[in-house]
Amino acid sequence: DQQVKQNSPSLSVQEGRISILNCDYTNSMFDYFLWYKKYPAEGPTFLISISSIKDKNEDGRFTVFLNKSAKHLSLHIVPSQPGDSAVYFCAASELEYGNKLVFGAGTILRVKS
Amino acid sequence: KAGVTQTPRYLIKTRGQQVTLSCSPISGHRSVSWYQQTPGQGLQFLFEYFSETQRNKGNFPGRFSGRQFSNSRSEMNVSTLELGDSALYLCASSQASGYNEQFFGPGTRLTVL
Repeated sequence: DQQVKQNSPSLSVQEGRISILNCDYTNSMFDYFLWYKKYPAEGPTFLISISSIKDKNEDGRFTVFLNKSAKHLSLHIVPSQPGDSAVYFCAASELEYGNKLVFGAGTILRVKS
Repeated sequence: KAGVTQTPRYLIKTRGQQVTLSCSPISGHRSVSWYQQTPGQGLQFLFEYFSETQRNKGNFPGRFSGRQFSNSRSEMNVSTLELGDSALYLCASSQASGYNEQFFGPGTRLTVL
């Protein structure tokens, strides 16, 4: 039972344009969401997070949007850079379960120069 | 500030053996979580330790165990290794448990022959 789904295995974007990565979840008890970036042979790197009391959080080129009614969140990267090419993971947690993160399968982002 | 460190980085074991992996969290972080990453199952939560107590546990057999020391360093142990235990084992640390960004180490690549 996949509680967090990233339905696009890969995404290709031109340098300078917007990258939009999507994530859906089924567990309505999730109240904290995070995005991570992962390069091969490295651990995931934290990018940005959002709690369920907000619908948007911004940090530099990264913005996360949360639509609780649709159980959907998205990560926007503007402008995209070649160094952003990596695997992006969406993760969710419930406060009751502390730091237990449920991850999506990941989306491979390729930014072409 | 030093990041999360994991030792060893690579390990080869044979079926039936046991293995111990080590994780040193970021200084001041009291929560350590462990994850298993495999091509088939993705990133899956193993357990979380906070102030030397196991706070949460994922759906893994009892062969997987862990502990945390008073300096927040953590170890995980896998006994009676099976071929399916071959994976990247990631450790993540955070300041507290719940609503906290988690910072990952580079992982330990375990190969079971």
